[in-house]
Amino acid sequence: EAGVAQSPRYKIIEKRQSVAFWCNPISGHATLYWYQQILGQGPKLLIQFQNNGVVDDSQLPKDRFSAERLKGVDSTLKIQPAKLEDSAVYLCASSALGVGPRRAEAFFGQGTRLTVV
Amino acid sequence: ELKVEQNPLFLSMQEGKNYTIYCNYSTTSDRLYWYRQDPGKSLESLFVLLSNGAVKQEGRLMASLDTKARLSTLHITAAVHDLSATYFCAVAPRLTGTASKLTFGTGTRLQVTL
Repeated sequence: EAGVAQSPRYKIIEKRQSVAFWCNPISGHATLYWYQQILGQGPKLLIQFQNNGVVDDSQLPKDRFSAERLKGVDSTLKIQPAKLEDSAVYLCASSALGVGPRRAEAFFGQGTRLTVV
Repeated sequence: ELKVEQNPLFLSMQEGKNYTIYCNYSTTSDRLYWYRQDPGKSLESLFVLLSNGAVKQEGRLMASLDTKARLSTLHITAAVHDLSATYFCAVAPRLTGTASKLTFGTGTRLQVTL
């Protein structure tokens, strides 16, 4: 089974520039998450989709971050304009709905490491 | 707001020794996960704990959950160098019909020395 795919793996931009990240979740997973992981910290949820609807975006800095999940499959996360403090690893994860002991378990992609200079 | 605290934040231990990592959380939870993260890599799921008293073991790692104390432990037995990584616990609040977000602890960086 293919895992969660993310691209690019690395990105370096100057502050005030814009950047976009792409995520392809595990096939059939209805729920998709974007997490931000700052160096030395645990991941923090930015936004959660179920199919193509937003479930939780309470921690998304909406003045500069946006995300979409068209057709309920792939997703993109955009930052515009970027700030120095946005330097982090952006992790995409997906999970399946349903019952069972491992229901809603999140599987993570390799992440995109963003450096803002 | 759900808070998750881990301790210690950093752990240096010799091969062959035993140690425990602790994870405390602040509100009622439906599920607790333990993840491993190697430097520059993504998160690998280790254990899912679903009920009070749950215990899971894989190799030299054993995880347990006490929902009344809101505490999970990850016990390392006879550590080996390959276990060096950062370990995160993550907690999900009770499911309400949709998949719930995870709140992660700060992580415990484990370094096993020869």
